[in-house]
Amino acid sequence: DSGVTQTPKHLITATGQRVTLRCSPRSGDLSVYWYQQSLDQGLQFLIQYYNGEERAKGNILERFSAQQFPDLHSELNLSPLELGDSALYFCASSVTPTDYSSTDTQYFGPGTRLTVL
Amino acid sequence: ILNVEQSPQSLHVQEGDSTNFTCSFPSSNFYALHWYRWETAKSPEALFVMTLNGDEKKKGRISATLNTKEGYSYLYIKGSQPEDSATYLCALSSNFGNEKLTFGTGTRLTIIP
Repeated sequence: DSGVTQTPKHLITATGQRVTLRCSPRSGDLSVYWYQQSLDQGLQFLIQYYNGEERAKGNILERFSAQQFPDLHSELNLSPLELGDSALYFCASSVTPTDYSSTDTQYFGPGTRLTVL
Repeated sequence: ILNVEQSPQSLHVQEGDSTNFTCSFPSSNFYALHWYRWETAKSPEALFVMTLNGDEKKKGRISATLNTKEGYSYLYIKGSQPEDSATYLCALSSNFGNEKLTFGTGTRLTIIP
């Protein structure tokens, strides 16, 4: 158990709908990352938040949005859904040290499997 | 766009045998190389983070080496056990403090009892 929690575990919905995926980081971690794993593709970085602010953006579609709240949990919103959005969505968290001498391991949650019909 | 490649894509190894696989990456803009172990229906589990050329890390029967000048890392498993069956992912981060990871597609390892 990494200490990162994600809800829900599974989600089945229809095209055009909106879903919200939720992530709670490990205690003490300030950074939250979202990744997407589609069929036959590696984990693709979507977006990073650090202490409530967007820090880095990857291949995140304009239909997707995310935020990190004051209690450091994060939500990823996907709307309107398309068939190609079916994937496993992972959240990861890390401390993101302020000193330049240490490395930063990302700890992954169990993922949310999204199926769009 | 960073290109992280892993080979082979899949591997079947007899229990008790040792094995290794490769992660290749562009050597420019390198900051850190991460190895993860991902069992089916679980979340990726961090194994190692390496930053320096020549780094070697070990965790039980699993070890990893890093060559940043030529852009590759090897993961070794000694005396494979059935519980080693998993997908092994490597990932590259290229900027400190902005450590989005670029993942390879993984090597799927199956240990044959």
